[in-house]
Amino acid sequence: EADIYQTPRYLVIGTGKKITLECSQTMGHDKMYWYQQDPGMELHLIHYSYGVNSTEKGDLSSESTVSRIRTEHFPLTLESARPSHTSQYLCASSEVTEAFFGQGTRLTVV
Amino acid sequence: GQQVMQIPQYQHVQEGEDFTTYCNSSTTLSNIQWYKQRPGGHPVFLIQLVKSGEVKKQKRLTFQFGEAKKNSSLHITATQTTDVGTYFCAESYDYKLSFGAGTTVTVRA
Repeated sequence: EADIYQTPRYLVIGTGKKITLECSQTMGHDKMYWYQQDPGMELHLIHYSYGVNSTEKGDLSSESTVSRIRTEHFPLTLESARPSHTSQYLCASSEVTEAFFGQGTRLTVV
Repeated sequence: GQQVMQIPQYQHVQEGEDFTTYCNSSTTLSNIQWYKQRPGGHPVFLIQLVKSGEVKKQKRLTFQFGEAKKNSSLHITATQTTDVGTYFCAESYDYKLSFGAGTTVTVRA
């Protein structure tokens, strides 16, 4: 089983709140990713990183931001949550080939 | 990254039958990866294809990369209820890993 963890698993939060979704991996992978996925739908790449202090925007525009200060940690932040941000957020990491996914954070903004 | 298109979007299969899902690109792909996501779960890596015309098998699953490296297919024989889920193809390119829209498979017992 892959060692990549996301917290929280579920989050219900009010509009306008600032939130940070945590993602940590213990495999020493350089590449990390954030995806947004509605139930049963496509995986949209919103951010990726290829190492410490490197972050890039993905294929889908997102109001979230990310940071990569340590290899193992890739948190995603929403400064002001809105109902349109309601979705599942999946974090993944990879080294050469296979990407390992966390269990995801299901975010609901009310 | 490239844009990969997957067809069909949904596949309803009778248990025991075979089916194929396809992944297509208008441009040459560096590689193609396949993932499976069970309902309520997260994507799990199945395989990567890199070479033109490459064919790989995993039990009842056969993966193929086209000669022009613009398409790929996943063929499942003798479908079982455990095959239920969404199958995604993805390309790893320039540090990005971009997914197709997926084929969601349901199985009739």
